[in-house]
Amino acid sequence: DAGITQSPRHKVTETGTPVTLRCHQTENHRYMYWYRQDPGHGLRLIHYSYGVKDTDKGEVSDGYSVSRSKTEDFLLTLESATSSQTSVYFCATQTGLYEQFFGPGTRLTVL
Amino acid sequence: SQQGEEDPQALSIQEGENATMNCSYKTSINNLQWYRQNSGRGLVHLILIRSNEREKHSGRLRVTLDTSKKSSSLLITASRAADTASYFCAPKTGGSQGNLIFGKGTKLSVKP
Repeated sequence: DAGITQSPRHKVTETGTPVTLRCHQTENHRYMYWYRQDPGHGLRLIHYSYGVKDTDKGEVSDGYSVSRSKTEDFLLTLESATSSQTSVYFCATQTGLYEQFFGPGTRLTVL
Repeated sequence: SQQGEEDPQALSIQEGENATMNCSYKTSINNLQWYRQNSGRGLVHLILIRSNEREKHSGRLRVTLDTSKKSSSLLITASRAADTASYFCAPKTGGSQGNLIFGKGTKLSVKP
């Protein structure tokens, strides 16, 4: 997985609670991404970062925020989790050659 | 949307047979990438083909790109049970800040 870790790997939470997912990379890649994967929808981009403190929205950014204070860490926050945010979340980094490397995923269940 | 659309959605073959998956997209691209996802795992990059390339090989994988038809195909020769996975194409537009837009994938099942 090219030195990409995600934590936690599994989380169950209740509606309305804040949740933060962490992605950590050791590859020093500039670009980092957060995706969610749901049956019937494939992989959808939530937010991405093109450098420290530089982030932008993806296709499904509503209800999510991100932060990147260091090259190696990219945090995804659900300010107030909803059941529609139950999903598997993947972090990815991108090399200068445009290939993306994915983390192992976080399975989030919002009850 | 620049989303790649894979076809078929599901494919079941016997070990030793070839598997062909197709991808169509809508606008001009910089490159097109194929990824594999084993059940419960993250995606793994397989191969990248640039817009000025027509064919590329990597081991048992062969990718073709037809920019006039806005389509690509992934051929896996002599399939193995271990090739069982979902396969995604991801067209990429623009430069380094262009994003990959993944389709819903082709689910390949290779029976021993």
